[in-house]
Amino acid sequence: QLQLQESGPGLVKPSETLSLTCTVSGDSISSGGYYWGWIRQPPGKGLEWIGSIYYSGTTYYNPSLKSRVTISVDTSKNQFSLKLSSVTAADTAVYFCARHACRTNCYAFYNYYMDVWGRGTTVTVSS
Amino acid sequence: QSVLTQPPSASGTPGQRVTISCSGSSSNIGSNAVNWYQQLPGTAPKLLIYSNNKRPSGVPDRFSGSKPGTSASLGISGLQSEDEADYYCAAWDDSLNGVVFGGGTKLTVL
Repeated sequence: QLQLQESGPGLVKPSETLSLTCTVSGDSISSGGYYWGWIRQPPGKGLEWIGSIYYSGTTYYNPSLKSRVTISVDTSKNQFSLKLSSVTAADTAVYFCARHACRTNCYAFYNYYMDVWGRGTTVTVSS
Repeated sequence: QSVLTQPPSASGTPGQRVTISCSGSSSNIGSNAVNWYQQLPGTAPKLLIYSNNKRPSGVPDRFSGSKPGTSASLGISGLQSEDEADYYCAAWDDSLNGVVFGGGTKLTVL
């Protein structure tokens, strides 16, 4: 059974870089056919897509965060990671990792949907 | 302000049918598939409907989706207490070149 587990520091100082890792078990990222992404949810608010990556390294980022976000993949460890630079209190949120799947027209990322989610990890930005 | 507009709340009594709307534009719902997610209190979101109206394995057929034009709807029939959750719609936006979510609708079962 596929499982995703987020890990990383729960507290990050303002202006520093937030770094999280998602470890995938039950399937191999390098088998292809899926994208792997990050989504966040500020306290009491809705969901915001951060970005997604294919095992080959192809990435898609939220334009509003693109200048600060880097998503990478390590197929040898079956993990993918998120780095968000120059964080502020507005980046305080629960961060989820998720698998993106599709059924038809899988040549285009816009046809993918998030079918399996991690439990999420809380990151607080504070000095 | 979310790109996709959902009512902040909805409610119904057990056994009733409720509908949650998601309003968008030609650059998102009008040209791309809509997916719906259910988030029970304190848990991660769960895929409920994908590609406008398809249910993943394990999702009861009480849940249905439709997409007339630039809006989408999630229908829940035979409402149960365990359906009390937040519901989010999502779609790709061609103009923003990214995935956009609705602001979420909190469903209360009275």
